[in-house]
Amino acid sequence: KNEVEQSPQNLTAQEGEFITINCSYSVGISALHWLQQHPGGGIVSLFMLSSGKKKHGRLIATINIQEKHSSLHITASHPRDSAVYICAVGRGAQKLVFGQGTRLTINP
Amino acid sequence: DAGVIQSPRHEVTEMGQEVTLRCKPISGHNSLFWYRQTMMRGLELLIYFNNNVPIDDSGMPEDRFSAKMPNASFSTLKIQPSEPRDSAVYFCASRTGTGDEKLFFGSGTQLSVL
Repeated sequence: KNEVEQSPQNLTAQEGEFITINCSYSVGISALHWLQQHPGGGIVSLFMLSSGKKKHGRLIATINIQEKHSSLHITASHPRDSAVYICAVGRGAQKLVFGQGTRLTINP
Repeated sequence: DAGVIQSPRHEVTEMGQEVTLRCKPISGHNSLFWYRQTMMRGLELLIYFNNNVPIDDSGMPEDRFSAKMPNASFSTLKIQPSEPRDSAVYFCASRTGTGDEKLFFGSGTQLSVL
């Protein structure tokens, strides 16, 4: 079993829909990261969080340390949100363990 | 700031050749990471440096891989000799501090070993 599991692996939705991507992990962590990888391949760090919730524009990330679970939400989704979203957990020092990613496609 | 700069963007080489990937971190960042991304294994940490010193290279696949950081503004990842299974996208990333700060990624180097 992978240390970091994301669901769903693929998600297709219509523009405007509310999107939720989930990340579960099985080890103790110091922080959790959400990354966005654009179709062109570049990777952008969206959030780094160790508790509670963070919001940036239409993106919201939450984490429940007790349940070892995090969610990334996108409100009013748009085709430009189409990307691969990757969850990564920090386990001491600076090592990140990555999930396999969720491929999101938003159709106009 | 120009962000993390990697070169080349694309590299096509033949099996057995030496490959050198280059990275310039963001100025002021004192941690640098090399990652490899493949379809099968996703993103994997190869090695990271703090203040130019290699801290953990346990992710380096084998002795054919080596990485250096001669100063705070430059790092290289070398593969010698290269093999087809080394084909992947190699990302460099940097960040401030040595804790759980946000990572900044370069655009990656797409390596194809024929």
